[in-house]
Amino acid sequence: KAGVTQTPRYLIKTRGQQVTLSCSPISGHRSVSWYQQTPGQGLQFLFEYFSETQRNKGNFPGRFSGRQFSNSRSEMNVSTLELGDSALYLCASSLVATNEKLFFGSGTQLSVL
Amino acid sequence: DQQVKQNSPSLSVQEGRISILNCDYTNSMFDYFLWYKKYPAEGPTFLISISSIKDKNEDGRFTVFLNKSAKHLSLHIVPSQPGDSAVYFCAARYSGGGADGLTFGKGTHLIIQP
Repeated sequence: KAGVTQTPRYLIKTRGQQVTLSCSPISGHRSVSWYQQTPGQGLQFLFEYFSETQRNKGNFPGRFSGRQFSNSRSEMNVSTLELGDSALYLCASSLVATNEKLFFGSGTQLSVL
Repeated sequence: DQQVKQNSPSLSVQEGRISILNCDYTNSMFDYFLWYKKYPAEGPTFLISISSIKDKNEDGRFTVFLNKSAKHLSLHIVPSQPGDSAVYFCAARYSGGGADGLTFGKGTHLIIQP
């Protein structure tokens, strides 16, 4: 069974631009969560989607948004990029929306210059 | 305010010995705790978990202990092997909906010395 796939693997953007990251969950998994990992803050929860609906949202500004499609694939978007948005963005999927045993992708490393 | 704390950024242990990774939490509402392991350039992988109704859970070489009164949990790895060298994250959630998803600590880098 294929794991969680995130694309692209690396991304370089400049301040003010916007970016879209993609995540394909494990087949059959309907819940997708997004986390931001930075050296200083560890992993921080962004949001969770289940059956195309946002269930939970972390403490991030409105520039961070996401969506989930009917095939459970998910995208997250960051608008008006800031230098502090440079981070590893991790997507995780699970069978149900209980946020317990998450299966993570390898992440998208975003650098904002 | 950090609700899950891993106070040791790194830990070095000799191969074959016991590795003990510690984690403290402040939110008494947390009722489920997990440990994840992360290798460089890979996403975290689930290792072991424990519910707040238990004080110990074992899975092979890995044992997690939970002390609710002290709001402390620890991961024991016995015996430690070179492949255990990785960053270990402690995570917690509460069944009240988990509006914050899983709350992670900042991680402990475990280095197994040959």
